[in-house]
Amino acid sequence: QSVLTQPPSVSGAPGQRVTISCTGSSSNIGAGFDVHWYQQLPGTAPKLLIYGNDNRPSGVPDRFSGSKSGTSASLAITGLQAEDEADYYCQSYDSSLSGWVFGGGTKLTVL
Amino acid sequence: EVQLVESGGGLVQPGGSLRVSCVASGFTFSGYWMSWVRQAPGKGLEWVATLKQNENDKDYVDSVKGRFTISRDNAKNSLYLQMNSLRAEDTAVYYCTRVSGRKGANNWFDPWGQGTLVTVSS
Repeated sequence: QSVLTQPPSVSGAPGQRVTISCTGSSSNIGAGFDVHWYQQLPGTAPKLLIYGNDNRPSGVPDRFSGSKSGTSASLAITGLQAEDEADYYCQSYDSSLSGWVFGGGTKLTVL
Repeated sequence: EVQLVESGGGLVQPGGSLRVSCVASGFTFSGYWMSWVRQAPGKGLEWVATLKQNENDKDYVDSVKGRFTISRDNAKNSLYLQMNSLRAEDTAVYYCTRVSGRKGANNWFDPWGQGTLVTVSS
């Protein structure tokens, strides 16, 4: 059971918009700690996608965006492409656990 | 180019020990906190340990405290994870990753190495 809760899977057709939620609690996201997102393509290492809630590293398309409100955060992907098919993870810090925590991951399927 | 390359994974019996290593290049290694994150087969990511610039300042996930030790050799641009009293549930790909951002709780992990597989089985 992950500290941050994500839906196990989401799907969308090419060109559509999908969102992935990340729900935490008062000891992590709700405490004001930043949320970061990672993309893991099949058989590869995770790659940073969004940092500091809503910032994109250079090289990440602006089709990817992040937001945070209260005890939750969201990753939005617009103009869905086949190459976006991957697992997506959110990450934050938990003050009760005194450590960094990840969501359980969401598998995105492009139909 | 910033690069992290892990090595040292393999098959070990329950109760055994193993040390995995990570060599960094392309950045000033001594200036960064470094971490290990693991991923069990078919499962999600789990933060394992972080070593700050002070060799004595380390954090661990509860499940490995007292069994795993993170360390670094700045002269060799290397990060290590000594794993003792290994259990079946420690079976995972272990990723070396740089802690980025301001030095505090709001850090993120970037970049990541390719990972090294540790299998604990008899």
